[in-house]
Amino acid sequence: QVQLVESGGGVVQPGRSLRLSCEASGFTFSNYAMHWVRQAPGKGLEWVAVISYDGSNKIYADSVKGRFTISRDNFKNTVYLQMNRLWAEDTAVYFCARPQPDFDFWSAYYAYWGQGTLVTVSS
Amino acid sequence: DIQMTQSPSSLSASVGDRVTITCRASQGISHYVAWYQQKPGKVPKLVIYTTSTLQSGVPSRFSGSGGGTEFTLTISSLQPEDVATYFCQNYNSAPWTFGQGTKVEIK
Repeated sequence: QVQLVESGGGVVQPGRSLRLSCEASGFTFSNYAMHWVRQAPGKGLEWVAVISYDGSNKIYADSVKGRFTISRDNFKNTVYLQMNRLWAEDTAVYFCARPQPDFDFWSAYYAYWGQGTLVTVSS
Repeated sequence: DIQMTQSPSSLSASVGDRVTITCRASQGISHYVAWYQQKPGKVPKLVIYTTSTLQSGVPSRFSGSGGGTEFTLTISSLQPEDVATYFCQNYNSAPWTFGQGTKVEIK
């Protein structure tokens, strides 16, 4: 069965960096774009970034552009989110999410979600 | 960016009631809307995609309709297990945006 397992969250000071990982299993990882979506405590969902199935195409939300970098390793079935210059507003649970259709960069509705990893930015 | 505005932000209804949640997009997004159910402390679950397609395993009391800028999620007969927050999502274009959520409770 499809599994997405995030790791790497924690408490970090403002201005510091953190790298999240999401290890996938149960499907052909290299066939799917992968997304990061976040949810601040008690708030709604915010899309963060996407990477195409082969890593050639990436898009970011304006709120993280220039600070966050998404990447993937199709041999390790893992997608990453490098987060630099973190602010308090980045405090959230970060989910990796897999769209339902394969090889479709734009049909970003998510049939599968990881359990999330909490990032807390605080001094 | 396309803004997705849900209404109401919360509702309370009795078991068996028909419940309707509306999502309005700030510009036309064809039929590229999905709906998610998120129970407290849980991960979002896909309920509906492409406006009206029921995700596999989701009870048939859930349905979606609409197009263009106005979309609805309907629960035909509210059940206790439907208590959750529901989010709509635009996937017509990046950035893919979500509504602010509608919290559904049992009266």
